[in-house]
Parts: sequence; structure tokens; C-alpha cells
Amino acid sequence: EAGVAQSPRYKIIEKRQSVAFWCNPISGHATLYWYQQILGQGPKLLIQFQNNGVVDDSQLPKDRFSAERLKGVDSTLKIQPAKLEDSAVYLCASSSGQGYSPLHFGNGTRLTVT
Amino acid sequence: GESVGLHLPTLSVQEGDNSIINCAYSNSASDYFIWYKQESGKGPQFIIDIRSNMDKRQGQRVTVLLNKTVKHLSLQIAATQPGDSAVYFCAELNQAGTALIFGKGTTLSVSS
Repeated sequence: EAGVAQSPRYKIIEKRQSVAFWCNPISGHATLYWYQQILGQGPKLLIQFQNNGVVDDSQLPKDRFSAERLKGVDSTLKIQPAKLEDSAVYLCASSSGQGYSPLHFGNGTRLTVT
Repeated sequence: GESVGLHLPTLSVQEGDNSIINCAYSNSASDYFIWYKQESGKGPQFIIDIRSNMDKRQGQRVTVLLNKTVKHLSLQIAATQPGDSAVYFCAELNQAGTALIFGKGTTLSVSS
């Protein structure tokens, strides 16, 4: 079974620029998550999709972050404009259902904002 | 509020020893917990999970113990190997029952 695929692996941008991350979940997984992991901390949920609908985006900074999951498969996360504090690893995860199902994570995109 | 924390940020053990990583959670209504292992440059990898209707669950070389009375979770790794060196996170299901909340992590270092 192929795992969660993410690209790019690394990205360096200047503040106020925009950036986009892409995620392809495990085939058949209806639920997709984007987490932000700041160095030395645990992952923090940004947004959760069930198929192509948003379940929870309460912690997404909507003035600069946006995400979509068209057709209920791949997803993109965008930041515009980026701030220095957005430097982090952005992890995508998927699961076969909500709640009592382990999340399977990709290896993330490491973003550095200078 | 919801929060998950760990008692120690680092743990150093010798190869072959048993390791115990601890985690305290605050939400007494939490009913699902997971342990993840994260190696450098990789995403968190699922180790083992447990529902609140259980006190103990065993996997291959790992055991998770849940003490609901004191809201404490632990991960025991038997015969720790150098390949076990990583950051370990406990996570609990949020109040909505839809997503996981992670603690800060414990870095396990195994010396041979």
C-alpha cells in the first residue's frame, strides 16, 4: 500500500511571498488532515476534510491560509502572504474514517520563511 | 481545555533495556489515545492505540498502559534497540471526536 505523498519536500521563500503544498492521501481514505509542526513541538491540526467537505478549520489562520480538496482525493494547502512564524513542517495525514482510526502521515514539507 | 503533555522531554537508555515513556492528558472524557514515533525528517509513524475501555494493549515489543484515574498514559518498549531512537508523541482524540491532539514529544536516545 502506497503511503501519503507530499510535495515539495522543502521550500524556502521570503516573507510576504506565497507558497502551496500538495498532498495525495492513501487510496480510499476519505478523511484528510493538514497539520503544522513547529520545531520542537507536536503537530497542530490546521484543517480536516471528509471527502471534499471541511469538517474542522477552526485553527486555520484564514486571513492567510487556504486549503482545498477537490474531487475528494488530492489536497493543496496555500499560504499567502507568508510570515516568518509560518516556518514549520506541514504534514498531511489521511485515515479511513473519522475518530477511532489511526492517522497515516506523509513525510511533510519543510517550509522556511526568511 | 484539551491538552496532552509528556513528563520528560528526553530519555536516554542503553540498548537492551526496557524504556518507559509517559504522557499526561487533561480531558477526562477522552476515549482514544495513540502513540506515534517520529524519526528525523519523517512524518509521525503509528505505533499503537488504545480505547478508554481498556487498561492495557500489547503490540510487538510495545505495550501501552492507560490509567484513567490519574489521566496517565505510558508506552513501554521492551529490549530497546538503536533503531528505536526517535521522538515519541502521545495523542488523544479531540472533544469533537474527529481529530487528534498531540503532546510535545519525548526524545528517546538509545546507546549501544
